[in-house]
Amino acid sequence: AQKVTQAQTEISVVEKEDVTLDCVYETRDTTYYLFWYKQPPSGELVFLIRRNSFDEQNEISGRYSWNFQKSTSSFNFTITASQVVDSAVYFCALNKDTGRRALTFGSGTRLQVQP
Amino acid sequence: GAGVSQTPSNKVTEKGKYVELRCDPISGHTALYWYRQSLGQGPEFLIYFQGTGAADDSGLPNDRFFAVRPEGSVSTLKIQRTERGDSAVYLCASSQQPTAYNEQFFGPGTRLTVL
Repeated sequence: AQKVTQAQTEISVVEKEDVTLDCVYETRDTTYYLFWYKQPPSGELVFLIRRNSFDEQNEISGRYSWNFQKSTSSFNFTITASQVVDSAVYFCALNKDTGRRALTFGSGTRLQVQP
Repeated sequence: GAGVSQTPSNKVTEKGKYVELRCDPISGHTALYWYRQSLGQGPEFLIYFQGTGAADDSGLPNDRFFAVRPEGSVSTLKIQRTERGDSAVYLCASSQQPTAYNEQFFGPGTRLTVL
């Protein structure tokens, strides 16, 4: 079985602060894919990034960066200089090549960025 | 281009009634997924289609739930004899190919309330 844990239920920061959202996963597969999605108040899930299990290179996209570490089974997401528009629920998810081809989501982290 | 659309956006029904929820995926996407999201939780897998056939329906909670995709495009999720516990947001997603690698694009969801 596979599992994704997002231990932080809710985080509140003040605008311009940096914030890191944690994600820990469990899987027995050697090939798998990790995703982050954003769910703003409007409700529609928006894809942010995908990482495959063989690529541990960190990625940066503007103010967003992702740190994938297989040794600790973690795929953490950092927002630098947070903005009010970053307020949303963020989900980490896992998919694998064998068996069910559907995403297993964590329970999400609600980020509130105060002006 | 057009994203995934779902209708209705909201559905209120009484316990015991039958409901149908519709999903229109992105044109050309062969894979279609249904998820259910309860308040404060991440989406949970229900069923996915590869073309017209249900490739995996192991997430359907019981035999009151059924889904079809007769022409390999639009899908309908059908719930018989609704119960209060069925209240949730039902999300549809599509991807270009039914592989774990491909990102899934989500619709805005249908909020189902069973009174």
